[in-house]
Amino acid sequence: GENVEQHPSTLSVQEGDSAVIKCTYSDSASNYFPWYKQELGKGPQLIIDIRSNVGEKKDQRIAVTLNKTAKHFSLHITETQPEDSAVYFCASKRGSSNTGKLIFGQGTTLQVKP
Amino acid sequence: NAGVTQTPKFQVLKTGQSMTLQCAQDMNHNSMYWYRQDPGMGLRLIYYSASEGTTDKGEVPNGYNVSRLNKREFSLRLESAAPSQTSVYFCATSRGSNQPQHFGDGTRLSIL
Repeated sequence: GENVEQHPSTLSVQEGDSAVIKCTYSDSASNYFPWYKQELGKGPQLIIDIRSNVGEKKDQRIAVTLNKTAKHFSLHITETQPEDSAVYFCASKRGSSNTGKLIFGQGTTLQVKP
Repeated sequence: NAGVTQTPKFQVLKTGQSMTLQCAQDMNHNSMYWYRQDPGMGLRLIYYSASEGTTDKGEVPNGYNVSRLNKREFSLRLESAAPSQTSVYFCATSRGSNQPQHFGDGTRLSIL
């Protein structure tokens, strides 16, 4: 079945360093890949997304890259700050589906140490 | 998460009790979704409503029912709660099925 594997499950970095989270998907028909940030006690918040017709997208300190051949995509956060500490989820969506069904990864807990 | 409101925020039930979780949005979105979040498992889709008047099963629908009351509101009902349904429940909305989804802040449900 459809599956998204996310690594690492936990990540600790020093303030100012970069953080990279990787996801691998199984459904080759997937064409939409959002990333969500979830703070304690809150719902997931969309921070960036990418569609399969592009290989990279940037928004200030955040970037996402997509390798369709290898079926993996990654979140890159540069110049990390303590407020980046949260749980990050990747997800994928099947292109032919009209359901909007997202398949989520298991989540990565990012800790940015001051 | 302005725009998607979930009630209640917390609830404790006994096994066998029933309950309805409410979700309302003011974003004029067509599609609405119910997910559950369990430790180490990400979020899993329970039911969704692609548009007003339609509902369909997601990945884990057993033990749940839904009602798309109108364009703004989408409720999730547990008819006979079981301990396995202890979870955090999130409602989400999107303009259409191929548009980004926006989440509420969740309902934390414990079933004893």
